[in-house]
Amino acid sequence: SQTIHQWPATLVQPVGSPLSLECTVEGTSNPNLYWYRQAAGRGLQLLFYSVGIGQISSEVPQNLSASRPQDRQFILSSKKLLLSDSGFYLCAWSSGEPTEAFFGQGTRLTVV
Amino acid sequence: LAKTTQPISMDSYEGQEVNITCSHNNIATNDYITWYQQFPSQGPRFIIQGYKTKVTNEVASLFIPADRKSSTLSLPRVSLSDTAVYYCLVGPGDNDYKLSFGAGTTVTVRA
Repeated sequence: SQTIHQWPATLVQPVGSPLSLECTVEGTSNPNLYWYRQAAGRGLQLLFYSVGIGQISSEVPQNLSASRPQDRQFILSSKKLLLSDSGFYLCAWSSGEPTEAFFGQGTRLTVV
Repeated sequence: LAKTTQPISMDSYEGQEVNITCSHNNIATNDYITWYQQFPSQGPRFIIQGYKTKVTNEVASLFIPADRKSSTLSLPRVSLSDTAVYYCLVGPGDNDYKLSFGAGTTVTVRA
């Protein structure tokens, strides 16, 4: 069966520090991969999505970036975090079936 | 994905049926309608998906009229644990793999 791993579960980082969140999927190949952010009490904001290795589509201009170095690995990065980067970050994957996606457990990021 | 409109919030009581309607006037021929449920501090979870008429599973029912310009998610006999945000998505459109979620409907179930 397919599983998605996202870590860490929680993270507290100072302003200006770098960020690296990793997401891996097991049990499937060539998944579509997604990064979302959810601010407190708000909806899901799509940040990046990828349909293949090295193919990244950015939805929102910001100081975040994403990379897909391997088929089932998706990384969200920042060189210098801002206070506004705080939020709940979710990774998801889909197999291409229409709009059926599976989410990781999320990372709660607090920038202080 | 096609644009969708759903109520911001709904209140209900335990044991009642909750119906959430989603409008999607610009739905395309190859689009499916998918509903997700999200609890606080968790990622959304797939509930149900349909193309036309009615679909039922152990969690919910999805009603889709013939013109497919709207759909209704029905949660039978809700309990407190059904308190969550429910999202309606319509797609994939023209091979559009961009999964964008709207604001969703916050359903609050009271005792």
